[in-house]
Amino acid sequence: NAGVMQNPRHLVRRRGQEARLRCSPMKGHSHVYWYRQLPEEGLKFMVYLQKENIIDESGMPKERFSAEFPKEGPSILRIQQVVRGDSAAYFCASSTRRQGSGELFFGEGSRLTVL
Amino acid sequence: AQSVTQLDSQVPVFEEAPVELRCNYSSSVSVYLFWYVQYPNQGLQLLLKYLSGSTLVKGINGFEAEFNKSQTSFHLRKPSVHISDTAEYFCALSTQGGSEKLVFGKGTKLTVNP
Repeated sequence: NAGVMQNPRHLVRRRGQEARLRCSPMKGHSHVYWYRQLPEEGLKFMVYLQKENIIDESGMPKERFSAEFPKEGPSILRIQQVVRGDSAAYFCASSTRRQGSGELFFGEGSRLTVL
Repeated sequence: AQSVTQLDSQVPVFEEAPVELRCNYSSSVSVYLFWYVQYPNQGLQLLLKYLSGSTLVKGINGFEAEFNKSQTSFHLRKPSVHISDTAEYFCALSTQGGSEKLVFGKGTKLTVNP
């Protein structure tokens, strides 16, 4: 009964490199959300995806960040040309989108450190 | 736009003492309300949620919260805390009829001392 799986758990990149974070939702869940947590801050919404569709990307930075959730395989959050300010914990959450449940199930996060 | 305010960034208490973590929200539409707990270097775990019905909601680990619409509050309480309750607690909301997108407060670090 696997929960939301994220990998890698820890990722170190140098400035200018690319970071790819992967998220496999819970079995039966077809909706994925990505959040970013900066030190001393709460979680900030980034993007909401269904299979092959971006539903809401209102929280995504305009440049360098992209997300996808292909028909097969995990959701991927991609950060190009990373900068020190991208250092954060990135959390993925999934849901069934069952009307009225209003509950997200979170993974353990991917912690990105940019040197 | 919706927002969540957690009034205390840190709350230190002694073991077996009662605790209340405060949460206020702002929204022009009806909301669902949640409390999540995060242990160090882990993900978020749902403590409890208010969707509708009784305004007093009971969750896991002996926590409860009361929805107060007139005061737009959803404070979390526990009558007697344990060392193991030391964690960060996040209040969050989503809008009724919308997606499950959550808006989070900045969190309250609860430290339970022996």
